[in-house]
Amino acid sequence: KNEVEQSPQNLTAQEGEFITINCSYSVGISALHWLQQHPGGGIVSLFMLSSGKKKHGRLIATINIQEKHSSLHITASHPRDSAVYICAVSEDTDKLIFGTGTRLQVFP
Amino acid sequence: DGGITQSPKYLFRKEGQNVTLSCEQNLNHDAMYWYRQDPGQGLRLIYYSQIVNDFQKGDIAEGYSVSREKKESFPLTVTSAQKNPTAFYLCASSRDRFYEQYFGPGTRLTVT
Repeated sequence: KNEVEQSPQNLTAQEGEFITINCSYSVGISALHWLQQHPGGGIVSLFMLSSGKKKHGRLIATINIQEKHSSLHITASHPRDSAVYICAVSEDTDKLIFGTGTRLQVFP
Repeated sequence: DGGITQSPKYLFRKEGQNVTLSCEQNLNHDAMYWYRQDPGQGLRLIYYSQIVNDFQKGDIAEGYSVSREKKESFPLTVTSAQKNPTAFYLCASSRDRFYEQYFGPGTRLTVT
């Protein structure tokens, strides 16, 4: 079993829909990261959080430390949100442990 | 503009040849990382460096080597000992391990 599990693996949506991507992890962590990877391959860090909730524009990330679960929400989705969203956790070490990603396609 | 550059974007090599992938950052970050990405798998850590002239093996270091002679540069050499080198390679940097990582655009290496 992977230490970081994401669901769903693939997600399609119509423009304007509310989207939720989930991440569960099985290790103790110091922080959780949400990353976005566009088709060209480059990765952008969206959020780094260790508790509660963070919001940036139409993106919201939440984390429940007790349940070892995080969600990434996208409100009013747009075709430009189409990408792979990756959850990663950092234990109290130098390393990140990555999930395999959720591929999101938003159609106009 | 601060950021991380990786070159080249695409690289083709014959089996048995060593190849070096470039990673440069002008963010003044102390920590730098090399990851490998294969289809259907999460990113895997090859090597990382928290400070100049020091680096540690990650989870899949066999067949790879690195150097960290300058703060801004962390080149990765894929040696002929790496049994399956064809992959997408990403370099990242951060202020230190407690901060978010910034990623370069990646190098797609194909070895035939």
